[in-house]
Parts: sequence; C-alpha cells; structure tokens
Amino acid sequence: SYVLTQPPSVSVAPGKTARLTCEGNNIVFKSVHWYQQKPGQAPGLVIYYDNDRPSGIPERFSGSNSGNTATLTVARVEAGDEADYYCQVWDSSSDHVVFGGGTKLTVL
Amino acid sequence: EVQLVDSGGGLVHPGGSLRISCAASGFTFSTYWMHWVRQAPGKGLVWVSRIDSDGGSTNYADSVRGRFTISRDNAKKTLYLQMDSLRAEDTAVYYCARSMADSAMFPFDHWGQGVLVTVSS
Repeated sequence: SYVLTQPPSVSVAPGKTARLTCEGNNIVFKSVHWYQQKPGQAPGLVIYYDNDRPSGIPERFSGSNSGNTATLTVARVEAGDEADYYCQVWDSSSDHVVFGGGTKLTVL
Repeated sequence: EVQLVDSGGGLVHPGGSLRISCAASGFTFSTYWMHWVRQAPGKGLVWVSRIDSDGGSTNYADSVRGRFTISRDNAKKTLYLQMDSLRAEDTAVYYCARSMADSAMFPFDHWGQGVLVTVSS
C-alpha cells in the first residue's frame, strides 16, 4: 500500500516561512491535498490538487509537488496557523485514500 | 450552506455493534461521493471507507473490511456506517466527509463535526 511520510513537528517564528513536507514514492504523479486541523475541530481543506486554494484560504498558503516530495508552504506565519497539517492522496492501485501521519506546526 | 452532522457515537463493548450516521444538508447529496475518516485519540487521520453517489460502489480500508458496512439513503440525505465485531483499536472520532466531486480522487471539501466511538469493556 502507498505510504506518505510527514515530519512529526515543525517550528517557526512568527512572520517567517514554514515548509511542511510529505514524502511518497513518485508522489509527483499523484494529486496531493492538504488539511489543517486545530485542537477539538474537524479538519479543513487548505490546498488541493498540489497548489489550488479553496475560497477563504489566504494566499500565504501554497503547495508544490516534485519527485518524491510534496510541500505545503505557509508564508508570513501567524499564531493562528498553529495546527496539525495532513497531506492526502488517492492511491489508484488500491482505490484507497491515504493520509500522511501529520505534522504539528508550532509558532514560536 | 453545506452541513454534515454526525451522530450515533457512544460506548460499546468489544465484539459489539454500532451504527453511526451523517445527515447532510445544503447540497444535492445524491450527486456526491462520501467517505468516513477516523482519528484515534491523539493520533492522525485514517481513511475508513467510501461510497459512490448512488451507493452501488463501496470500498474499505483493510483494517475494517468485512466488519464495517457503509451505506446511504439519498432520499433521507443520510450516510451510515454500520460497525460490527468492534475492537478496542476501533476507538476513535469518526468523521463523515464529502468528496469535492464524483470520484475518490477528489479532496474532501466538507467534514462533519465527528462522533466519538469508544470500544471498551
């Protein structure tokens, strides 16, 4: 089965740029979606199809996908961005949805 | 406004059964694929199951296949997850989620608030 690997935690100072990675075998050939989950809340979509933003998501959030790594970039990080972030793909070979283990973004 | 409201969670003994529901409103429920995703306490998101728009096609994670059954009633705009032979490791918050369009390859653009299912003696 397809596996997505995310670092457990990333820390960044306010106003700086956070880069959250998601590794998977030839992930470049898959569409990657990213979700933000704050404590006690359901997840919410922040990036889909590698680099599209749903309405209402700030332009500070962007994504990229190349080789074996997809990246969610959060520019000019704010305290309110502190959350868990999950990458997700659809594995066509098994017709299963796969989530990464999640990264906790801490704003210092 | 799109709304998904999960209900039916609770405490169940190992080996027992439970059915959880997800009531949809604010969109044409019968045209969207739907999913269940779970999250064990303090852990990450795990996909559980999906169903196509008319209920004719389903799929399951290996960990629940043969024990869980996803279904939907489009007239009632409700998604269900029947969970049998429950195990302690099934303890989690269960979320229903909507695919953005009619395929599993699309992202989940709306989520329910989640219900807690606790399997314990």
